[in-house]
Amino acid sequence: EIVLTQSPTTTAASPGEKVTITCLASSSVSNMYWYQQKSGASPKLLIYSTSSLASGVPDRFSGSGSGTSYSLTINTMEAEDAATYYCQQWSSNPPTFGAGTKLELK
Amino acid sequence: QVTLKESGPGMLQPSKTLSLTCSFSGFSLSTSGMVVSWIRQPSGKSLEWLAAIDWDGDKYYNPSLKSRLTVSKDTSNTQVFLKITSVDIADTATYYCATGYYTLFAYWGQGTLVTVSS
Repeated sequence: EIVLTQSPTTTAASPGEKVTITCLASSSVSNMYWYQQKSGASPKLLIYSTSSLASGVPDRFSGSGSGTSYSLTINTMEAEDAATYYCQQWSSNPPTFGAGTKLELK
Repeated sequence: QVTLKESGPGMLQPSKTLSLTCSFSGFSLSTSGMVVSWIRQPSGKSLEWLAAIDWDGDKYYNPSLKSRLTVSKDTSNTQVFLKITSVDIADTATYYCATGYYTLFAYWGQGTLVTVSS
């Protein structure tokens, strides 16, 4: 199975700061998905097909990448963005998730 | 509006069979391309995809758990089920069902916590 390695594991950002989370795949994937999970809640789809924003997601979120390297960027951190973020692939079975990046508000 | 809701026993003993139900509305599982998946998350850990069933009734399983999993759906296409045999403490987790077109987990249920304990 494809292993997804996220970095950093934990990070903190001040309001207005730019945040980038990286996801490295153990083999090439054609697309990456990103989810946001707040404490006690279900994951919420943020980005699909590497760079497309899911419905209702603010445009301060963006995704990019190809092959084995992908990233999620929050252009200007807001308090409500404090959460854990997961990358996910389903280019190859089984679909797999990264270990998560916990983003805290500084 | 797409909604999904998982239900399960809450707690069960090791070696028993876990039965989960995902009840949904707002979409039809008979629509070409629609897939319902089961995904679990132990407390404080990441997500693990378990199984899926698609609009055509085809079933997909995580190879690491395949021998213990059975996914199915009802004939009215409003519920999907998952059975996990021979549970142990490592199966303690919140279990989610999620849906979307093909490989997309666009909508998630609220999750149901399952604790395996003697």
